[in-house]
Amino acid sequence: QVQLVQSEAEVKKPGASVTVSCQASGYAFIDYYIHWVRQAPGQGLEWMGRVTPKTGGTNYAPNLQGRVTMTRDTSVTTVYMELRRLRPDDTAVYYCVRASPPIVVAGKLRSFDLWGHGTLVTVSS
Amino acid sequence: QSVLTQPPSVSGAPGQRVTISCTGSNSDIGAGYDVHWYQQVPGTVPKLLISNNNDRPSGVPDRFSGSKSGTSASLAITGLQAEDEADYYCQSYDSSLSGYVFGTGTKVTVL
Repeated sequence: QVQLVQSEAEVKKPGASVTVSCQASGYAFIDYYIHWVRQAPGQGLEWMGRVTPKTGGTNYAPNLQGRVTMTRDTSVTTVYMELRRLRPDDTAVYYCVRASPPIVVAGKLRSFDLWGHGTLVTVSS
Repeated sequence: QSVLTQPPSVSGAPGQRVTISCTGSNSDIGAGYDVHWYQQVPGTVPKLLISNNNDRPSGVPDRFSGSKSGTSASLAITGLQAEDEADYYCQSYDSSLSGYVFGTGTKVTVL
C-alpha cells in the first residue's frame, strides 16, 4: 500500500524543539522528493521545504530558514522534520507529502499527490 | 506567506457552475510555472484535484477543470454537487522565494 505514515501528536512549550517523522512505504523511496506543508488551525496551507531522499539535499522556505531541518534515513524509508525555538504560532497540523512525477522526470512543476495523515503540534505554555 | 490570492468564498446551487480565481504575479504564475489545485473537505487531508493547470488525476470527476492565463489561473466546477463543499487551494512556484506557494484558499458552499 502506497502511503506516508506520520508520528503522533506532540505538545511542546515555547522555545522547545519538535521532530516529526514520516515513513514512506509502497513505492521507491529515493525516487521522489518529500515536502513538508503545515496548516494552522482554521488557516490555509503553508509550504515549509523539501528533502531529496537519495542525497539528503534540502530547500527551505525563507521564513523558516535557520529554525527548520529536514533529514532522511534511507534504511527505514523515513524523513524527519525538526522545528526549533517553537512559538505559539507554530501550532499547526504538519503534513509530509510526496511530489510527483519522480525526480528523474524534468520539465514540469511537481504536484503533491500523496499526503501523510498529518501530525498536530501544539505549542503552549 | 501566501502570495497567490483567491476569493475567500464562492457559493452556488446544486447543478450550477462556479469558478475560483487564483491571482499571482510575474514571479510565479506569470513566470510560466504550472498551477495545481487541491480540495480539502473539512476535517480531512488535502487531495490533489488538478495538476499542471488542467490535468485531472485518475478518479477526479470531469466536472472539475482548470485553466491558466497570464498571471492568473482558475478552477471551474460544473454541475455542482453537495459533496463539492470544501476548501480549495491553488499552488504554484515563486522564483523570488525559491519555493512553492499556496493560494489563500476558497471555501465553496453548496446552497
